[in-house]
Amino acid sequence: DAKTTQPPSMDCAEGRAANLPCNHSTISGNEYVYWYRQIHSQGPQYIIHGLKNNETNEMASLIITEDRKSSTLILPHATLRDTAVYYCIVRVYSNTGNQFYFGTGTSLTVIP
Amino acid sequence: DAGVIQSPRHEVTEMGQEVTLRCKPISGHNSLFWYRQTMMRGLELLIYFNNNVPIDDSGMPEDRFSAKMPNASFSTLKIQPSEPRDSAVYFCASSPAQGAGGYTFGSGTRLTVV
Repeated sequence: DAKTTQPPSMDCAEGRAANLPCNHSTISGNEYVYWYRQIHSQGPQYIIHGLKNNETNEMASLIITEDRKSSTLILPHATLRDTAVYYCIVRVYSNTGNQFYFGTGTSLTVIP
Repeated sequence: DAGVIQSPRHEVTEMGQEVTLRCKPISGHNSLFWYRQTMMRGLELLIYFNNNVPIDDSGMPEDRFSAKMPNASFSTLKIQPSEPRDSAVYFCASSPAQGAGGYTFGSGTRLTVV
């Protein structure tokens, strides 16, 4: 699987958009980009994933560059409950299941 | 749906004892995964099953670790004998085998071996 690079930490003011970057310059054509987050002491939570097109759901938006070498997770109106570690993962979809290998992620702190 | 259910939530045991962690995946999910999380090593994939069959156990650290999935609604991760360095949070996750969606994780079991 392609390696991802994320900043170790970020701050965001409450109510503002949180933009979390991820570099995956070695991504191949059939690899998806996934985002998870882990709030302290809880299990990781799936947020969103995409292949080529930008995606949006009730939690966040995922912007993937045209060359697919990087992506940005956007939390449009960050709240204190969004304070968590955010993981960006690229993975080939397999019909025997997706194995996800988590890196160190970005620790996002939402500041009141 | 109750989600992925893990038990116990906390386990404290003495070195050398056998420890069994349990997981009930979401009904209808065909894939099940066991992870371990520590401060030093982060989240590590230990083993995963597809349709109750172990597919990849390359992440299992030693022969002291074993995992089984006797049916679609139950899996166990056993450590025998346990050692202090096994202290960690163990997570179970499940997902539909088909489709590119993400996992659903359980709340984890915090294991302390003294």
